[in-house]
Amino acid sequence: KQEVTQIPAALSVPEGENLVLNCSFTDSAIYNLQWFRQDPGKGLTSLLLIQSSQREQTSGRLNASLDKSSGRSTLYIAASQPGDSATYLCAVEQGGSEKLVFGKGTKLTVNP
Amino acid sequence: NAGVTQTPKFQVLKTGQSMTLQCAQDMNHNSMYWYRQDPGMGLRLIYYSASEGTTDKGEVPNGYNVSRLNKREFSLRLESAAPSQTSVYFCASTLERFGNTIYFGEGSWLTVV
Repeated sequence: KQEVTQIPAALSVPEGENLVLNCSFTDSAIYNLQWFRQDPGKGLTSLLLIQSSQREQTSGRLNASLDKSSGRSTLYIAASQPGDSATYLCAVEQGGSEKLVFGKGTKLTVNP
Repeated sequence: NAGVTQTPKFQVLKTGQSMTLQCAQDMNHNSMYWYRQDPGMGLRLIYYSASEGTTDKGEVPNGYNVSRLNKREFSLRLESAAPSQTSVYFCASTLERFGNTIYFGEGSWLTVV
């Protein structure tokens, strides 16, 4: 059974800092990995989608990498801002399955 | 752009009551999903519909039923609500199975007392 783990569960950083969020998964037979952002009381917003054949994706200040063989992904946020404060979730689309398997998220607080 | 729209946003039910959560998407997506999100449990798939006319069970289907009314709409029904069904429910959609960005609604907060 696929398990997705995100460490740390919470992270607090000062504004301007570069930071890395981690995601690990137990079964490397995935179609893709997605990173989402969730603001309090809101739904999930997709940030980046990395196909299994890709190594990384970039969008603005965000860069996500994927190492399928080791079962790891990282989300790099450059020059963090208070507006980046949210919970970040990663999810893998399991090969042969119809579903995304989610991690429990990392709650990020960026302090002014 | 409406995207994925869920109603109602908040609902309080008494144990044993029934209700239906409505979901509609305007992106011409084929696949639609219902998830629940609980503290410490993360998001778990309840039911999904890969295409109009098909539905399948996810990880936690017990106590729920779904209807894919047409390509746009996918409803989730609680026939006899239980306190264990207190949760936040999210509808989501994607263009096709596998390898596509998934879009979520804003959520429906359900409390069963």
